[in-house]
Amino acid sequence: QVQLVESGGGVVQPGGSLRLSCVGTGFSFTRFGIHWVRQAPGRGQEWVAVVGDDGAAQVYADSVKGRFIVSRDNSRDTVYLHMASLATEDTAIYYCARELRHDNWLFDLWGQGTPVTVSS
Amino acid sequence: EIVMTQSPVTLSVSPGERATLSCRASQSVSSDLAWYQQRPGQAPRLLIYATYTRASGIPARFSGSGSGTEFTLTISSLQSEDSAIYYCQQYNNRPPVTFGQGTRLEIK
Repeated sequence: QVQLVESGGGVVQPGGSLRLSCVGTGFSFTRFGIHWVRQAPGRGQEWVAVVGDDGAAQVYADSVKGRFIVSRDNSRDTVYLHMASLATEDTAIYYCARELRHDNWLFDLWGQGTPVTVSS
Repeated sequence: EIVMTQSPVTLSVSPGERATLSCRASQSVSSDLAWYQQRPGQAPRLLIYATYTRASGIPARFSGSGSGTEFTLTISSLQSEDSAIYYCQQYNNRPPVTFGQGTRLEIK
């Protein structure tokens, strides 16, 4: 079955850290860039970061630059999002999403999302 | 950063009728505009990209139009399963790609 499955979300205090995982199955994982997109309660989607198909390139939204790191392990068909210095405004459902085509930044496959709550 | 504005915020339409959703970009995105459907509790699903190209498996009653800064998603012959929030996304000017705030479509 072609799918992405996120995990690792939870409740964390402000200033804390969390690592999210995204596992891809049913397709050739190494052919696709993988993005993270988040959705805060009652709001639309916000693009967060992307890692290229070989992991060499990463790009970040200004709102997370310097705090989040995206990486991938193609031997495990997994992308990670390491989040540090978390703030209440990072509270959201975090989705990983696959690019429709190389480097076109639109998304034809999404995971179900993993919720992150930053609260004291 | 390009700001995407969708209208209306909520739309209520009867089954079998047509729904028209609008999306405006703060500057031209050429034809690099996509639409997603998000049903409650589900992940977004790609419906339309490159303004009018339907994604795999999307029925023909979903259609897109527009260019530059003004875009429209039209859903004809509405069915109950079309009840969802619809988002537009520009991918012309990035990073970042940006999304509209969504239109909630209710089927009466």
